[in-house]
This record gives sequence, structure tokens and C-alpha cells, in this order.
Amino acid sequence: NAGVTQTPKFRVLKTGQSMTLLCAQDMNHEYMYWYRQDPGMGLRLIHYSVGEGTTAKGEVPDGYNVSRLKKQNFLLGLESAAPSQTSVYFCASRLFSGTDYGYTFGSGTRLTVV
Amino acid sequence: KNEVEQSPQNLTAQEGEFITINCSYSVGISALHWLQQHPGGGIVSLFMLSSGKKKHGRLIATINIQEKHSSLHITASHPRDSAVYICAVRYFGNEKLTFGTGTRLTIIP
Repeated sequence: NAGVTQTPKFRVLKTGQSMTLLCAQDMNHEYMYWYRQDPGMGLRLIHYSVGEGTTAKGEVPDGYNVSRLKKQNFLLGLESAAPSQTSVYFCASRLFSGTDYGYTFGSGTRLTVV
Repeated sequence: KNEVEQSPQNLTAQEGEFITINCSYSVGISALHWLQQHPGGGIVSLFMLSSGKKKHGRLIATINIQEKHSSLHITASHPRDSAVYICAVRYFGNEKLTFGTGTRLTIIP
């Protein structure tokens, strides 16, 4: 089925460990996003990409890096995980900037840093 | 202070009731989105609005640009409508969505 696939779905990391979250979409969408969702707060944008080979910072980019080497994939990296990065991470994509196109979200990755 | 305010934060209703969830924002926007998130689940985009009204099945979304307000209505509510409903806005010239903290809806059979 077409959509946004996130891997892994769950992960527990020790403080200081690194990991990469993968987001893959098969809808030929130009725009891709990484959000984090924390209790009592709305989703917050970490990084986004407006096309292959481009990335930009969102509102909470510190401690994260991203890459968009292929149009269909958007990777989120944590170089040295911290407990403050415990969160649920959502990837999203959309076709391109326009008033008639909505977002497609992945099912989320629940990350715990101990 | 979150620039997108939703009300109520929690809503419990009986099956069949008409549901209204409200969203207010602070400045002009290019688009407003309504999203649905089931417990432990992913996020589904319900509507994107820049003006007027949209309808899909039992769901209706309206927006009043002058009053900076949107509403999501559910007619003939059903227990499967139980979820968190999230309002998000995109301001002009900004790729970022600003999200409300959500309204937790519970429909009792």
C-alpha cells in the first residue's frame, strides 16, 4: 500500500548511543518532515526537506541530523542520544507546496533513551 | 505560548451525539489542517482548509478567516470516532506547521 513507512517502530537507547530512523515514501512526494510528539505539547518540527539533496532546520533541530540522498527516503540521525530525546517521532510527506495537498504521516517511532 | 488553541481539551459524549471541536489561531494563515490520531497509532490527515467548508462522510470542517477560527464537526458520532483530533496551521511563507495540543474525544456506546 502506498504511504509513509517508518522503521523501527520502537527502540530503547542508552545515553550516548547513536541511531538512525528511516522514513520511506512511495508517493513521489517532494516534501518530507520529521516531527517529535511529547505529552502535553503539539508536534514540533525537527527538520524538513523540500526535495532530494536538500534539508532545512525546523524549530527543535539540536541533537539531530538528517539526510535526503534519495527522493523517497528521509533519514533522521541521533549522534549521541540524550534522555530529553525520549519521544514519539513522526515522519510526514506531501506532494509539494500548495493549497490543495495534505500531509501523509507515518505510524511513528517510539524512542526511549535511558 | 502555543499559537494554536483547541477546545475542549477532552470531550466525552454518547454515541449518536453531534460533536464540535474548535480551533483558534493568532495571525493569518495559508492553510489549516485537521488530523486524527487513534490511541497508540499514527496520524491521519482529515482536512486541509484555506477557506469555507469541506465535508467527508460524517465529518465537516469549517473555517472563518476573519475570526481566525475553525471547527470540526462529527455527525451521528460512533465509538470508532474516539481519538485525538489535532488542529494545525501553516503561516504564510513558513513551511512549518504549528500544532494545537489536541482534543481527546471519547464516544460511549
